[in-house]
Amino acid sequence: KQEVTQIPAALSVPEGENLVLNCSFTDSAIYNLQWFRQDPGKGLTSLLLIQSSQREQTSGRLNASLDKSSGRSTLYIAASQPGDSATYLCAVRFFGTGKLIFGQGTTLQVKP
Amino acid sequence: DTEVTQTPKHLVMGMTNKKSLKCEQHMGHRAMYWYKQKAKKPPELMFVYSYEKLSINESVPSRFSPECPNSSLLNLHLHALQPEDSALYLCASSQDRGQMNEQYFGPGTRLTVT
Repeated sequence: KQEVTQIPAALSVPEGENLVLNCSFTDSAIYNLQWFRQDPGKGLTSLLLIQSSQREQTSGRLNASLDKSSGRSTLYIAASQPGDSATYLCAVRFFGTGKLIFGQGTTLQVKP
Repeated sequence: DTEVTQTPKHLVMGMTNKKSLKCEQHMGHRAMYWYKQKAKKPPELMFVYSYEKLSINESVPSRFSPECPNSSLLNLHLHALQPEDSALYLCASSQDRGQMNEQYFGPGTRLTVT
């Protein structure tokens, strides 16, 4: 079964800290992986898209890596700020169905 | 412009009402999606339209009826809903159904069924 897992479910860090969010998936046959941010009660904002042929993508203070063979992706946030507080969702597009399968998300709180 | 808009932002309806959710994008995307998201859960795919034709229905009850009048617009018609249908309904679009394409999401419609 094609599944996506995100651990931990919640994370609280002091402002300024560098942090890593983890995403794992059960099948290495993927088209791509997308990281999203969701603020409470709001829609999803796409942060980074990594194609299966890529190893990482960067946008500002965010860096996402992809290791297909181990079924893992990480989202690195540098110098965290209170405005980074949100739920971060990892979604994988697997071969076969081609549907975007989401993890349960990691809720991040950055304390001033 | 990478914006997907959804109206209304909030909707409260009774179980006998008929209402519609609307989604619009002007990015020239030819694939559009409806997702349902319950509190503290990830989004779940409901429908996919490709070139204005329904290509995926994830066994959604018939009280939800999607419609794609043109390439920019996607509607979700609601009728005889149940309280458990209360959720955030998200619309998304992508260039087409190609597997490499990024999906862009709207802000969602918060639906409450009383």
